[in-house]
Amino acid sequence: GQNIDQPTEMTATEGAIVQINCTYQTSGFNGLFWYQQHAGEAPTFLSYNVLDGLEEKGRFSSFLSRSKGYSYLLLKELQMKDSASYLCAVASAAGNKLTFGGGTRVLVKP
Amino acid sequence: ETGVTQTPRHLVMGMTNKKSLKCEQHLGHNAMYWYKQSAKKPLELMFVYNFKEQTENNSVPSRFSPECPNSSHLFLHLHTLQPEDSALYLCASSRDGLAGGYEQFFGPGTRLTVL
Repeated sequence: GQNIDQPTEMTATEGAIVQINCTYQTSGFNGLFWYQQHAGEAPTFLSYNVLDGLEEKGRFSSFLSRSKGYSYLLLKELQMKDSASYLCAVASAAGNKLTFGGGTRVLVKP
Repeated sequence: ETGVTQTPRHLVMGMTNKKSLKCEQHLGHNAMYWYKQSAKKPLELMFVYNFKEQTENNSVPSRFSPECPNSSHLFLHLHTLQPEDSALYLCASSRDGLAGGYEQFFGPGTRLTVL
């Protein structure tokens, strides 16, 4: 089975940096995804990591350590529009079946 | 239309009703998915279709019946649901459902309320 843990909620100030951690225990692993979901909207893709290391995409970066079963999403230069839920999802060894964590709700304050 | 569309956006039904949710993707993808998102629970995979063939049924009760007539369309037929089935039902698609690493594109969802 799969077990994915991430904090329920985080608060940060506009312009600051926030790091959202995700730990996982899986019976197979074929990569880790991060999605952003604004309230009442569909999740949208942010990043995919399958090898260890850091992937940077503008203000967002994602890190993976397969040996530790650990990933984080780093949001820099926070903007008010970054207030959303951030979902960590692990792809099973068999194809593109995703198991999601409960999501981390990030609130950005002025 | 672009991306992934879902209809209806909102649905209220009684426990004895039969209704269907529809999903259409305009991305040329080969895999389609149904997810359930309940309050305070993780997004939960229900079904996966790859090239119109069902490749995953995540122990979903038989009162939920999926149908995939072609790679662009996916339906979820609902029959004798329970109030605990009230949730947001999300459809998604990806280039491939068997190979890893392909991002999934989500539709806006159908907010279902079972009375």
